[in-house]
Amino acid sequence: GESVGLHLPTLSVQEGDNSIINCAYSNSASDYFIWYKQESGKGPQFIIDIRSNMDKRQGQRVTVLLNKTVKHLSLQIAATQPGDSAVYFCAENKDTGFQKLVFGTGTRLLVSP
Amino acid sequence: NAGVTQTPKFQVLKTGQSMTLQCAQDMNHEYMSWYRQDPGMGLRLIHYSVGAGITDQGEVPNGYNVSRSTTEDFPLRLLSAAPSQTSVYFCASSYGPGKETQYFGPGTRLLVL
Repeated sequence: GESVGLHLPTLSVQEGDNSIINCAYSNSASDYFIWYKQESGKGPQFIIDIRSNMDKRQGQRVTVLLNKTVKHLSLQIAATQPGDSAVYFCAENKDTGFQKLVFGTGTRLLVSP
Repeated sequence: NAGVTQTPKFQVLKTGQSMTLQCAQDMNHEYMSWYRQDPGMGLRLIHYSVGAGITDQGEVPNGYNVSRSTTEDFPLRLLSAAPSQTSVYFCASSYGPGKETQYFGPGTRLLVL
């Protein structure tokens, strides 16, 4: 079946480094993508989103890149901080009506001082 | 605003028992949804609602019922709990078409013995 997957389950970086978390999606009809951050014991927290008519979107310290040709999504975090340590999920919208998000399994980001 | 609230935070059930997980939002969001999160997996959609009086099934609806009598509340009912329903349950809400970002509650951890 169609799914959203992640290349790496765990990413370890040093504080101050830039982090890149990757995600592959399989449904070329998906038109909306979101990155969520989930800290231990908490619900997912919205980070940034992007629509399929864009290939890049920037937020505060975060950038999402969308490559529709290879169906790839990435989240870049600049100057990673210990507070960025969490599990990051990408999700795609497979439905034109209600936002039926399909989530990937997540990447754990570990930031060491 | 309190955002999305969920009760209880934790619950232990015996097989065959029933219970209701509560979810409420005070953001006047049209859309609400329930997800479950199992270890090492992304979130999977159980049921969702696009407005009061309207509900529909998600990816894993079996064993769960929902209703949406008001805009604010979206309870999830387990009719006869099974060990396979041991999970963390998240409720989410969003404004609706054109503003699809989903905001998640803190989750309910359920253990079925």
